[in-house]
Amino acid sequence: QLVLTQSPSASASLGASVKLTCTLSSGHSSYAIAWHQQQPEKGPRYLMKLNSDGSHSMGDGIPDRFSGSSSGAERYLTISSLQSQDEADYYCQTWGTASVVFGGGTKLTVL
Amino acid sequence: EVQLLESGGGLVQPGGSLRLSCAASGFTFSSYAMTWVRQPPGKGLECVSATSGSGAYTYYADSVKGRFTIYRDSSKKTLYLQMNSLRAEDTAVYYCAKGFDFGDYVADYWGQGTLVTVSS
Repeated sequence: QLVLTQSPSASASLGASVKLTCTLSSGHSSYAIAWHQQQPEKGPRYLMKLNSDGSHSMGDGIPDRFSGSSSGAERYLTISSLQSQDEADYYCQTWGTASVVFGGGTKLTVL
Repeated sequence: EVQLLESGGGLVQPGGSLRLSCAASGFTFSSYAMTWVRQPPGKGLECVSATSGSGAYTYYADSVKGRFTIYRDSSKKTLYLQMNSLRAEDTAVYYCAKGFDFGDYVADYWGQGTLVTVSS
């Protein structure tokens, strides 16, 4: 079964960097995923599509403070030079032959 | 510029029906998969349904299978979600999203959402 696992919460200080993780279930380590950001009271926003080799396709207007990387079944989203507007929920998403799934989301707090 | 504009949400009684629409512009509608994603109040995202660029392939989450129907009208560049036998747990903001490719359901553009409330 295709499942994406994310930590419920993360925190980092203003101006620092943070790395969020999305883990693919066993047998699905070659899958590409997408990262989405949802700021409070807003709809989701596509950040990037991230392939298993670490290559990625950024969304329109996404600053280069956002980057992605991959290792095995793990997909990472790194945000550098954290700003207050980066405080948001971050979701990963993928799809398979019989499902389209989202991770449970990580709530990022900027201290 | 890609734009997705949902409509059709509202208050409906349990057991009732509602049809959501998503008007698309700024891309070749028939060349891309489309999805409906919902978010119950205070909860995460769930893809309830998806369709390939041609509409030949459709996906439904188990939670809505047999009650919801997704379809698309390429001449109107519009995606629909017919929702029947609605339940309280269907209450959510429903988003329309454009897929990355013809058969790739990863969302790369999102609509602003439309609220569906199922309550007596």
